[in-house]
Amino acid sequence: DQQVKQNSPSLSVQEGRISILNCDYTNSMFDYFLWYKKYPAEGPTFLISISSIKDKNEDGRFTVFLNKSAKHLSLHIVPSQPGDSAVYFCAATVEHSNYQLIWGAGTKLIIKP
Amino acid sequence: EPEVTQTPSHQVTQMGQEVILRCVPISNHLYFYWYRQILGQKVEFLVSFYNNEISEKSEIFDDQFSVERPDGSNFTLKIRSTKLEDSAMYFCASSDIGSLGPNYGYTFGSGTRLTVV
Repeated sequence: DQQVKQNSPSLSVQEGRISILNCDYTNSMFDYFLWYKKYPAEGPTFLISISSIKDKNEDGRFTVFLNKSAKHLSLHIVPSQPGDSAVYFCAATVEHSNYQLIWGAGTKLIIKP
Repeated sequence: EPEVTQTPSHQVTQMGQEVILRCVPISNHLYFYWYRQILGQKVEFLVSFYNNEISEKSEIFDDQFSVERPDGSNFTLKIRSTKLEDSAMYFCASSDIGSLGPNYGYTFGSGTRLTVV
C-alpha cells in the first residue's frame, strides 16, 4: 500500500533552471509533509516542510507547494545547482501522533552543468 | 549542531547470527525511531520508541527484532537471527515533538549498512 508516491525515479535538469519534484499521497489523514535530501552513504537530511493548513512554504531556493484537494505536493528548486544532485524523498506524517514518517520511493535529481 | 550517531557504519554478519545496531540520539530528544532502506528501495519505518516503550511498529518489525534504551543515552536495534533479506541500510532517528522547529528536530543518523552473508 503505497501511501506516498514519487512516480519519477529520476530527473535531469540543467544547472540554473528550475527543478520540480512531485509527490502524491493517498491517506487523507496526513497533515504534515516533509522533504528530505539524501546523498549516497549518508542519512536523509531535512530540507523543508509544510503543514496542511498552508499551500506554500518557501525557504531560500526551495519552495514546497501543497494541493490538498489533489493530494499532491511539489518541491521547486530554483536556480538548480550542481550540489543539489541527490535523491529527494517526500515524507508524510500525522501531526500529534507518534510522528512516524511514511516515505516515498525517492527521486534522483541530476543537475547537468 | 547536534547529531545522531550510529555505530558501526558497516556490519557484515553470517545468516542466523545476532546483530546489535547502536545509536546515540540527540540528548534532549524524546522520540526515537529505526528505519531501513534496502538497496534500491524506499525508506521503510520499523519502529518508534517513547517513554521507554515501543509506541508503534511496522509489519517488518517481527519477533526477530527488538529495541532497547539500556542506559538513557544509547538506543539499540537487535536482530536475533539475521536473514539474507535483512541486508539493508538501517537509519536511526530522534525527534523532539515539543520543538517548534520546522521538522520537529527530526534528525537522522548516517546509517549502518548491514550485510548478511
